[in-house]
Amino acid sequence: EAQVTQNPRYLITVTGKKLTVTCSQNMNHEYMSWYRQDPGLGLRQIYYSMNVEVTDKGDVPEGYKVSRKEKRNFPLILESPSPNQTSLYFCASSPPGVNTGELFFGEGSRLTVL
Amino acid sequence: GQSLEQPSEVTAVEGAIVQINCTYQTSGFYGLSWYQQHDGGAPTFLSYNALDGLEETGRFSSFLSRSDSYGYLLLQELQMKDSASYFCAVRDGRGFQKLVFGTGTRLLVSP
Repeated sequence: EAQVTQNPRYLITVTGKKLTVTCSQNMNHEYMSWYRQDPGLGLRQIYYSMNVEVTDKGDVPEGYKVSRKEKRNFPLILESPSPNQTSLYFCASSPPGVNTGELFFGEGSRLTVL
Repeated sequence: GQSLEQPSEVTAVEGAIVQINCTYQTSGFYGLSWYQQHDGGAPTFLSYNALDGLEETGRFSSFLSRSDSYGYLLLQELQMKDSASYFCAVRDGRGFQKLVFGTGTRLLVSP
C-alpha cells in the first residue's frame, strides 16, 4: 500500500531533550516536506527536499533540522525542543512533474514539549 | 509577503451546495490545490488547477481565475461526511514545489 509513515504518532517530551520524528514513503517520490499545524494558522512549511541531499528552508525552519540521505526517508530533528514547538507535525511527499499539486500526507505526529 | 484568505467557517445542510472561496497573494504562482482534513486526520488532496477555469471531480469542483488571484471549491449534494476543514494551497515561485496553505475553512453540514 502506498503510504507516508511517521513515527512517533504521539510524543510528550521536556524542554531541551533532542528528538527525531521519522518519515518514510514507499512511493519513490523525489519531493518530501515537513509541515506544522497550529490552530488558526493552518499548515506552515518547515523544510522541504527536492531530492537526496537537497533540502531547503520553508517558512518556519527555526529550531528544526532535516536530512535526506536516502530517497525514502526525511527525518525531522529538534535539537533542543521548546514549548513553542508543541504542535501537530505532518510529513508529505509528492511525485515529480510540473503539473501536480498533490501532496501525500502522513498521519501526523502530535508533539508536546513541557 | 504571501497570503491566502479563506472564510473561517461555513455552515450548510445536507443536499445543499456550498462554495468556499480562496484569494491569494504570492510571489509566484504555479497552481492552486484544495485539501480536505477531517478532525484528527491527515489532509487529503481534492483537486488542482493550474489554468483558468473549472475542474470537476464527482461532487466536487474547483475554479481558478489567475487574473483575479481567486479560486473556489464547490461542493454539491452535501453529505454529513463532508463536514471537515478545507484548505487551499498555492505553489509559489520561490521553490518549484513550495506549497503555501491557507488557514482553512471549517465546513459544518447539518441534517
